[in-house]
Amino acid sequence: GQNIDQPTEMTATEGAIVQINCTYQTSGFNGLFWYQQHAGEAPTFLSYNVLDGLEEKGRFSSFLSRSKGYSYLLLKELQMKDSASYLCAVMDSNYQLIWGAGTKLIIKP
Amino acid sequence: DVKVTQSSRYLVKRTGEKVFLECVQDMDHENMFWYRQDPGLGLRLIYFSYDVKMKEKGDIPEGYSVSREKKERFSLILESASTNQTSMYLCASTFPSDGVNTGELFFGEGSRLTVL
Repeated sequence: GQNIDQPTEMTATEGAIVQINCTYQTSGFNGLFWYQQHAGEAPTFLSYNVLDGLEEKGRFSSFLSRSKGYSYLLLKELQMKDSASYLCAVMDSNYQLIWGAGTKLIIKP
Repeated sequence: DVKVTQSSRYLVKRTGEKVFLECVQDMDHENMFWYRQDPGLGLRLIYFSYDVKMKEKGDIPEGYSVSREKKERFSLILESASTNQTSMYLCASTFPSDGVNTGELFFGEGSRLTVL
């Protein structure tokens, strides 16, 4: 079956760096997405990786290794507003999105 | 600014009632989706549509139906609501993933449905 694994919850300190991991087993691969979802709100797009390597976008970076079925989202200079759930999703060979359950990130002062 | 609008943020219905959830997007997207989101579970796909009058079942279509009469509007219907359909419902839209477009989803604000 198809599966996406990510930690349920993580805690980090304001100003620090945190890495959220995502491992996947899917039928084919057409890209990996990260979304941010604040409590009670809709998910919003953060990043897309289809080739191996690191994509940097301001304080957020996303890494992909297709051979290992692995990605991570790196958040630098954490701010309180980064407290949210982070959703990993993989597009399979049929261009269907397979979603992880999300990682709830708690930022402490 | 791109926008996906869902008709109701919060609804409370009784078991057996018919429920309509409407979703409208203003981005001329071909693809539209209905998901439900429950604590501890990933987003689960109910139905999707790649064109007007076209619909495909997702992973959990039982108890739901959809309608897409116009490109911008995708409606989710619960013919007879049950308590296990209490959930957050999210509508999303996108252009097809084709090497130019990634298939990034744009979500509505969500409709939180409680069935008593």
